Amino acid sequence: SQTIHQWPATLVQPVGSPLSLECTVEGTSNPNLYWYRQAAGRGLQLLFYSVGIGQISSEVPQNLSASRPQDRQFILSSKKLLLSDSGFYLCAWETGTAGYGQYFGPGTRLTVT
Amino acid sequence: AQSVAQPEDQVNVAEGNPLTVKCTYSVSGNPYLFWYVQYPNRGLQFLLKYITGDNLVKGSYGFEAEFNKSQTSFHLKKPSALVSDSALYFCAVRAYGGSQGNLIFGKGTKLSVKP
Repeated sequence: SQTIHQWPATLVQPVGSPLSLECTVEGTSNPNLYWYRQAAGRGLQLLFYSVGIGQISSEVPQNLSASRPQDRQFILSSKKLLLSDSGFYLCAWETGTAGYGQYFGPGTRLTVT
Repeated sequence: AQSVAQPEDQVNVAEGNPLTVKCTYSVSGNPYLFWYVQYPNRGLQFLLKYITGDNLVKGSYGFEAEFNKSQTSFHLKKPSALVSDSALYFCAVRAYGGSQGNLIFGKGTKLSVKP
């Protein structure tokens, strides 16, 4: 069966510091991968998605970037965090079939102080 | 453009009573429809989906949803609510044949089930 991991689970970082969040998927090959941000426990904002190694699409211009160095690894980064980067970050995967649905990781709670 | 509306920010239900969480959608063509549940500080969990076929879809934890094409709705239902059903519920849609990356989520509905 497929499993998706995210780490760290929680993170407190000062403004201006760098960020690296990691997401890995097990039990599947060539998944589509997604990064979402959720503010205040409500709506999801799609940040990035990737359909293959090195292929990144950005949905919202912002202080963040994403990379996919391996087939089942997706990394979210920032060079300098802003207070507004605080939130709950969720990684998700799906197969290449549009009707399959997305499956989410446990999330990372980021607090920028 | 695709869109999803969850008209209620919060739904309050007494334990044992039936519950409904509403969702309406707008897509060009036929939709794929999904429901997810999120417990506090957790990722979203898949509940059920509609692709084609029977309009009544059964999912996890006793939930079901009915696809109504004429009303462009996909309401989530459960015959008897449990306190443990209290959580945040998301509806999502993707147009049939749509490109990857455009699964559109509603803003979420907080379900509160009281004993």
